[in-house]
Amino acid sequence: DADVTQTPRNRITKTGKRIMLECSQTKGHDRMYWYRQDPGLGLRLIYYSFDVKDINKGEISDGYSVSRQAQAKFSLSLESAIPNQTALYFCATSDPGTQDPGTQYFGPGTRLLVL
Amino acid sequence: DQQVKQNSPSLSVQEGRISILNCDYTNSMFDYFLWYKKYPAEGPTFLISISSIKDKNEDGRFTVFLNKSAKHLSLHIVPSQPGDSAVYFCAASARVGGKLIFGQGTELSVKP
Repeated sequence: DADVTQTPRNRITKTGKRIMLECSQTKGHDRMYWYRQDPGLGLRLIYYSFDVKDINKGEISDGYSVSRQAQAKFSLSLESAIPNQTALYFCATSDPGTQDPGTQYFGPGTRLLVL
Repeated sequence: DQQVKQNSPSLSVQEGRISILNCDYTNSMFDYFLWYKKYPAEGPTFLISISSIKDKNEDGRFTVFLNKSAKHLSLHIVPSQPGDSAVYFCAASARVGGKLIFGQGTELSVKP
């Protein structure tokens, strides 16, 4: 079973629609992250959360919001989707208290197309 | 402002030879560096890391070298195998467990 899961895996939506991407993890990690990947730009951090009551903006948070419903769940919302939000979205987790505190563990990604 | 740069979008290597992937950074506060590997339709997976107190870290066929004065790191894969064909991302953080800043990625193709 995957430790970090993302739903949906693929989504097509229209401009102006609200959409939510969900991430769940069974690793027991406190820290969770949302990234987007675009060709030629690598992975860029959208939001991150170091625990349930801690939410922080990343480098490209405009147009996005997040919710940390529980330690295991971190959702990313696009309130009004626009075409330049078409990208591959990844959720990741990490745990600073482990033997490998710097490593992040990624989900399989959600491919989003905004028409 | 790209703080972590991978200037080669792609690299093609013959099976059995060495693959060398390069990464440059600009922020002198970075002190922890990682390499991730990504196959199509999958998330990135951790490959190897190095802290700034070292200049080399080795794990099997994979070795990462860090040159702090040049703000440059490289990943060596020896010998390269077709299964190594993937996109490789380098990443950096200002401290272990801190936010990661990723490079653009290099697509490695290992030909049989």
